[in-house]
Amino acid sequence: NAGVTQTPKFQVLKTGQSMTLQCAQDMNHEYMSWYRQDPGMGLRLIHYSVGAGITDQGEVPNGYNVSRSTTEDFPLRLLSAAPSQTSVYFCASSYSAAYGYTFGSGTRLTVV
Amino acid sequence: DAKTTQPNSMESNEEEPVHLPCNHSTISGTDYIHWYRQLPSQGPEYVIHGLTSNVNNRMASLAIAEDRKSSTLILHRATLRDAAVYYCILCSGSARQLTFGSGTQLTVLP
Repeated sequence: NAGVTQTPKFQVLKTGQSMTLQCAQDMNHEYMSWYRQDPGMGLRLIHYSVGAGITDQGEVPNGYNVSRSTTEDFPLRLLSAAPSQTSVYFCASSYSAAYGYTFGSGTRLTVV
Repeated sequence: DAKTTQPNSMESNEEEPVHLPCNHSTISGTDYIHWYRQLPSQGPEYVIHGLTSNVNNRMASLAIAEDRKSSTLILHRATLRDAAVYYCILCSGSARQLTFGSGTQLTVLP
């Protein structure tokens, strides 16, 4: 089925470890973005991309890196995990503001 | 980004219509009005969006005020599965991302 696929669904990291959250979409969407959602809170934008090779920072980019080498994939890298990065991470994609965004099912990350 | 104001919570009875309001008095001419919902332990789900005219789809209807400073999401017949947080978001034509507020927690009573 067409949509946004996030892997893994769950992950536990130790403080200082690094990892990459994967996001892939098969809808040929140019716009992709990463959000984090802390317990009981709304979603906050981490990074976003408007096409292959083009990325920009959102509201809470510190501690995260992104790259966009293909239209389909938009991985999020945690360079040195900290307990404050414990959260649920969502990836989203769209053609543009004139269209709705499709979200992935999320990655639940715990940093101990 | 222009801001939206939504009630923190609302209740509805099952099988009755639900009207979820959203105020956006600083909306600009190029801002689309998007609605998303988030069911417990799930990612946000697109519901509907519009620019100036009222919109209908299989999930809901969107009524936009003539001056565009407010809108209402209408669920025609609420079910227990509609219990979720509903987000009203303004998205300009040049925007590259969505900015989420705190949304409205909808409780559907059996």
